[in-house]
Amino acid sequence: EAQVTQNPRYLITVTGKKLTVTCSQNMNHEYMSWYRQDPGLGLRQIYYSMNVEVTDKGDVPEGYKVSRKEKRNFPLILESPSPNQTSLYFCASKVRGNSNQPQHFGDGTRLSIL
Amino acid sequence: AQSVTQPDIHITVSEGASLELRCNYSYGATPYLFWYVQSPGQGLQLLLKYFSGDTLVQGIKGFEAEFKRSQSSFNLRKPSVHWSDAAEYFCASSGNTGKLIFGQGTTLQVKP
Repeated sequence: EAQVTQNPRYLITVTGKKLTVTCSQNMNHEYMSWYRQDPGLGLRQIYYSMNVEVTDKGDVPEGYKVSRKEKRNFPLILESPSPNQTSLYFCASKVRGNSNQPQHFGDGTRLSIL
Repeated sequence: AQSVTQPDIHITVSEGASLELRCNYSYGATPYLFWYVQSPGQGLQLLLKYFSGDTLVQGIKGFEAEFKRSQSSFNLRKPSVHWSDAAEYFCASSGNTGKLIFGQGTTLQVKP
């Protein structure tokens, strides 16, 4: 089954404790992306990757890092999480960045930073 | 700059009534347009998409949307709403860079 898998689904942690949210897709997609969803703001892009070893900032990249060492994986790293990063996070992928095909989304990761 | 606006934050309709959710976009060229639905605790599911051609597009679950270039709109419609349609709906646009620009979302409540 074609899917985007995120882990963990839920996480409560404390300020400053490094964490990583993993994302994996099994569709051989070149393009992957991270979004955060906040009430009243919709979803906003954090980082994206056009292909392996190619990453770039989205609209709200501050406080986040990503890496794309393999085509299927695109982890989101919070080096020193803060309460304003409490949010619902989605990973997504699509065939290619310039393709008109829609993005496939994971089920989301709800992070609470205390 | 590219943007998407959903003017209605919250809409309540009676079961069996018709539904229209509004979406306006701002983009220099014709964008790729999408409607996604998010049920509570779930991810985003694609309802339908528009790239070019026929301006009336059909999607899953009985939804349709009409692209109107003159009004910069891409409104979502359903002739008869079911209780299971209660969810949050997002309109989104994309250019050729891959980034999706989302509207703020519209929460649909269905009255029995």
